[in-house]
Amino acid sequence: KNEVEQSPQNLTAQEGEFITINCSYSVGISALHWLQQHPGGGIVSLFMLSSGKKKHGRLIATINIQEKHSSLHITASHPRDSAVYICAVLTNTGNQFYFGTGTSLTVIP
Amino acid sequence: DAGITQSPRYKITETGRQVTLMCHQTWSHSYMFWYRQDLGHGLRLIYYSAAADITDKGEVPDGYVVSRSKTENFPLTLESATRSQTSVYFCASTDRSSPLHFGNGTRLTVT
Repeated sequence: KNEVEQSPQNLTAQEGEFITINCSYSVGISALHWLQQHPGGGIVSLFMLSSGKKKHGRLIATINIQEKHSSLHITASHPRDSAVYICAVLTNTGNQFYFGTGTSLTVIP
Repeated sequence: DAGITQSPRYKITETGRQVTLMCHQTWSHSYMFWYRQDLGHGLRLIYYSAAADITDKGEVPDGYVVSRSKTENFPLTLESATRSQTSVYFCASTDRSSPLHFGNGTRLTVT
């Protein structure tokens, strides 16, 4: 049983395309995090959400608490956006994070 | 500099040896975590700590030991390394209201 499901698993896009990555979860949460990991690299936090929507540059993250769903959008995608994007939720009943298995994004010039 | 640092970045050891991976954070975050990342498995929680002197097992704790005598340090020890413990290990910290911060990872190879 996976508490966090991401889709798609793999995504290839042309430079400039609008990209959406989805995350669904089955547990009660206090926060949802979107993380980015470049090939061979470390993991960095993009967003931390508990409600609504956040924007940072070309990245937008939304969350619908009632539907237990979050989306990460990338506008005007660029090859440097190629990375694995990971959704993680912090449960509201414990001290653990649950992670999705990640979405591997490749943006072709 | 503020941040979370792991050491060493790379480690090669032999089966049966004891190995300790270090993690140090400067934010005084209460929560610290150890994950391993393997192809096909994503990030799996080994151990976590909610505060100094409080630790709990995660999903894959067998063969690992942790301690947290000080808030800023959370070392992970492999008591007798096995080849199945070859992996990339990430340490992370948060205080629940802040983003989850990760170290740069330690790539461990057990021969």
